[in-house]
Amino acid sequence: DIQMTQSPSSLSASVGDRVTITCRASQTIINYLNWYQQKPGKAPKLLIYAASSLQSGVPSRFSGSGSGTDFTLTISGLQSEDFATYFCQQSYNTPRTFGQGTKLEIK
Amino acid sequence: QVQLQESGPGLVKPSGTLSLTCAVSGGSVSTTHWWTWVRQPPGKGLEWIGQIHYSGTTNYNPSLKSRVTMLVDKSKNQFSLKLSSVTVADTAMYYCARGEDDSAYWFFDLWGRGTLVTVSS
Repeated sequence: DIQMTQSPSSLSASVGDRVTITCRASQTIINYLNWYQQKPGKAPKLLIYAASSLQSGVPSRFSGSGSGTDFTLTISGLQSEDFATYFCQQSYNTPRTFGQGTKLEIK
Repeated sequence: QVQLQESGPGLVKPSGTLSLTCAVSGGSVSTTHWWTWVRQPPGKGLEWIGQIHYSGTTNYNPSLKSRVTMLVDKSKNQFSLKLSSVTVADTAMYYCARGEDDSAYWFFDLWGRGTLVTVSS
């Protein structure tokens, strides 16, 4: 199985900040990498697919980059509704695997 | 607008079988999508259980493969999950999701609200 490792596990930031979350795969996944946002008690929501493609309806302050084994999710100009947990997920092969999550909290 | 809704018992006894159904509304289960189950133990991360195509083709997580069965019921427009020989470690929120692709890039673009299954005697 491909192991996905996110860093940091938690992050404190303020409204208006720019934050970056990193995801590393245990082997190359080219750019088969997705990002999800999950709020407490809710299902995950797709933000980014194919490493950098913004899902329809997702604000443009979210962006993704990377290829091979190293990927980043950047949120430019944090809004209050962005405080949540973020997961990366590889779709290079099965079993699909997720990172352990990064909890973004208000400073 | 396509929606997914999980249903099933919220409590299962150890060594029993967990059975869940995901109803697809506003669209058909007979599409090119891969219908997927993902679970999340309380306070933990996400685990892909497996997926099924309306043709009946399945892919299961090897860690669960010996205990998992997924089926599609086209007449009822739903798909299902059975997990046998459950233990407390199977306690989790279970989500059904839709696997979609854009030029062979696969992702989960639609999720049910989830259903909590507790394994306890």
